Amino acid sequence: DGGITQSPKYLFRKEGQNVTLSCEQNLNHDAMYWYRQDPGQGLRLIYYSQIVNDFQKGDIAEGYSVSREKKESFPLTVTSAQKNPTAFYLCASSSASGGYEQYFGPGTRLTVT
Amino acid sequence: RKEVEQDPGPFNVPEGATVAFNCTYSNSASQSFFWYRQDCRKEPKLLMSVYSSGNEDGRFTAQLNRASQYISLLIRDSKLSDSATYLCVVNDFGGYQKVTFGTGTKLQVIP
Repeated sequence: DGGITQSPKYLFRKEGQNVTLSCEQNLNHDAMYWYRQDPGQGLRLIYYSQIVNDFQKGDIAEGYSVSREKKESFPLTVTSAQKNPTAFYLCASSSASGGYEQYFGPGTRLTVT
Repeated sequence: RKEVEQDPGPFNVPEGATVAFNCTYSNSASQSFFWYRQDCRKEPKLLMSVYSSGNEDGRFTAQLNRASQYISLLIRDSKLSDSATYLCVVNDFGGYQKVTFGTGTKLQVIP
């Protein structure tokens, strides 16, 4: 089955700890994205990557870091510098050949206490 | 003005009704447009792309009005399973870089 997987589905962490969220796709898409969604709000772009070993900051990159060492993988680290990390995190991918529509993984709900 | 604006709703409609949502966008040069559906606590899923000539997929019709800078989604013969939040998405450059999501319109179909 082709698709995007995110793990874990639910993640709980103590304040002050860094945490890494996984995102893997087997769609052969070039671009990958990380979004954050807060209750009752729209999606906000954290980081995106158009190609391996390259990525750009989105609208709310502060307190987050990413890497893109493989085409299939785009992990997101939520650092202790992120002031309000509790949120629903969504990973997406897209392809030029597909008209740039973005396809989403099932998301990770992060709760930091 | 917000880049992409939607009426948050909720729109409460009876089963079998026809309902329409609009979404306005601020960048007249925006290249491509999409409607997504998001169920509660789930990821957004692509519903349909919106083409200049308008397009239809079963009970769903999407239209683009470049002059007035809005896109619309029409749902005919609403089903209970259509209850969800509908997100309008605008791609400014037609590439990877700038995609803006609206905050969504919530639809509740009532038996």
